[in-house]
Amino acid sequence: NAGVTQTPKFRVLKTGQSMTLLCAQDMNHEYMYWYRQDPGMGLRLIHYSVGEGTTAKGEVPDGYNVSRLKKQNFLLGLESAAPSQTSVYFCASRVGGQGGTEAFFGQGTRLTVV
Amino acid sequence: ELKVEQNPLFLSMQEGKNYTIYCNYSTTSDRLYWYRQDPGKSLESLFVLLSNGAVKQEGRLMASLDTKARLSTLHITAAVHDLSATYFCAVDPRSGTYKYIFGTGTRLKVLA
Repeated sequence: NAGVTQTPKFRVLKTGQSMTLLCAQDMNHEYMYWYRQDPGMGLRLIHYSVGEGTTAKGEVPDGYNVSRLKKQNFLLGLESAAPSQTSVYFCASRVGGQGGTEAFFGQGTRLTVV
Repeated sequence: ELKVEQNPLFLSMQEGKNYTIYCNYSTTSDRLYWYRQDPGKSLESLFVLLSNGAVKQEGRLMASLDTKARLSTLHITAAVHDLSATYFCAVDPRSGTYKYIFGTGTRLKVLA
């Protein structure tokens, strides 16, 4: 199984450009998450989804949009990139429902905005 | 708003020593998770703690959960160099928001 796959792995953007990060999971998980990781800040939740067609804001949603048109895919969009969005982005997924379940992570996308 | 704090943020320890990493959280929850991240890599799950008093052990690592104190600990016994990594705790609140909030991480360096 591929698990959680993120595309692309690396990207350099100019300020003001837009881009979309793709997260795909093949585990039939209901819940999907986008995080950013910055030195000394841990992982901060950007947006998340608890099912196809649903999205919700996390801790740091400003400047990002998301869509979950298909259960297996969760897209993160940057409409007008800013240097403050330079970060490593991780996607994660986990089983839905009331039980507590571990999350499975993609390999990360290193984004630099110049 | 759920806050998850870890301490210490950095830990340098000698091989063979014991130490504990602490994870405090600010809201009611009985679902606490520990992850490990090697430099430049993704996160992998270590422990899933789903009730007050839960204790899980794997090798030299042992995790526990006290939901009344809103505290989880990750205890390292007789550290070895291979345990050098960053350790994160994450909390799944019972509020129904389905958020999955991480702590700031503890960067552990085990010196030979």
